Amino acid sequence: GENVEQHPSTLSVQEGDSAVIKCTYSDSASNYFPWYKQELGKRPQLIIDIRSNVGEKKDQRIAVTLNKTAKHFSLHITETQPEDSAVYFCAASQGGANNLFFGTGTRLTVIP
Amino acid sequence: DGGITQSPKYLFRKEGQNVTLSCEQNLNHDAMYWYRQDPGQGLRLIYYSQIVNDFQKGDIAEGYSVSREKKESFPLTVTSAQKNPTAFYLCASTGTGREKLFFGSGTQLSVL
Repeated sequence: GENVEQHPSTLSVQEGDSAVIKCTYSDSASNYFPWYKQELGKRPQLIIDIRSNVGEKKDQRIAVTLNKTAKHFSLHITETQPEDSAVYFCAASQGGANNLFFGTGTRLTVIP
Repeated sequence: DGGITQSPKYLFRKEGQNVTLSCEQNLNHDAMYWYRQDPGQGLRLIYYSQIVNDFQKGDIAEGYSVSREKKESFPLTVTSAQKNPTAFYLCASTGTGREKLFFGSGTQLSVL
């Protein structure tokens, strides 16, 4: 089955700086890569996703890049704000949530 | 904060006891899922159901059981066979695309 590795496990940045979280996957057949954000005590929520036919996708301060050859994808957050503090999970799938495999999460702390 | 409702928020299990976690959704979604979240680990799929009266095992189904008698409801029973039940349990559903997960607010299960 698919194996998703996520780094770093914790990340602290100063407010206004950028944050980058990286994930690798093992199954070259995976074609859908979502990112979920889980604030403390709250439910995970999808913040951005990318498919294998696209190399980069942006949504305001958030961007995701995908390198299919190297089988890794990354989440980039620019101009970080305290409300960005949360645990971020990457995931990979061949399609359908029933075969979605999650990384172990990155706890991001934005220091005001 | 509607959509998916999980109850109770906190649950305690005695040794040898079965306990049932409730999950109800009003999103009219066909597919529903149960995940287990342990500290420092990603979300792991326990069971999923793509349609009423049908469900499939996920990656860690041993010691758990589910039912799907109604579209809106997908209860999870943690049986006495699950020797390490302490975890945070998340219920989720997906709509037509079967990819974007909508999560409930979770149930923290602890062993007395």
